[in-house]
Amino acid sequence: DTGVSQDPRHKITKRGQNVTFRCDPISEHNRLYWYRQTLGQGPEFLTYFQNEAQLEKSRLLSDRFSAERPKGSFSTLEIQRTEQGDSAMYLCASSYRGGNTEAFFGQGTRLTVV
Amino acid sequence: SQQGEEDPQALSIQEGENATMNCSYKTSINNLQWYRQNSGRGLVHLILIRSNEREKHSGRLRVTLDTSKKSSSLLITASRAADTASYFCATYSGAGSYQLTFGKGTKLSVIP
Repeated sequence: DTGVSQDPRHKITKRGQNVTFRCDPISEHNRLYWYRQTLGQGPEFLTYFQNEAQLEKSRLLSDRFSAERPKGSFSTLEIQRTEQGDSAMYLCASSYRGGNTEAFFGQGTRLTVV
Repeated sequence: SQQGEEDPQALSIQEGENATMNCSYKTSINNLQWYRQNSGRGLVHLILIRSNEREKHSGRLRVTLDTSKKSSSLLITASRAADTASYFCATYSGAGSYQLTFGKGTKLSVIP
């Protein structure tokens, strides 16, 4: 069990550029979540996948954000036309199906938009 | 929106002392979970307590749940410097939702 893996760990980008983050969940987990966390705050839910289906999306997920999980394995989160307000830690988590169980988090991708 | 709210926002104690953090939530729950986050890192699951449980222990951790008051507490006994971290409670937002919603957390500092 290698845990949830996120790549890259850090990303600095210029405002207006597009960025893409990758998350590899624990292999037998079919649920995958994306969260965003800013300094001093708790993680805020962005979106949830069960296998390849995106079942929930937060209103925080504007049109500039898109997430995919092809084949129900790894997931990508893309932010288009980045803004300074997008600077945050982006966390991925996965969990087993079968009730509301604990989530296993990756180390996160810290995005800085300059 | 934040489902859970932790109290206090920050707590500083000496090594060896006990630390108590509280969490309040708004809607009915199936379970409540506590997570720890070391500075700049991902979250680590600590303990899950189901709605029909009142108290649960795991090592130096003790969690209580009062569903009538919609509140929970996390007690860390005999604290260590390595316990320095932020602690979050989390609940699922409602029936049919898989959105695990976190509070703002309690930042615990354990002074050696």
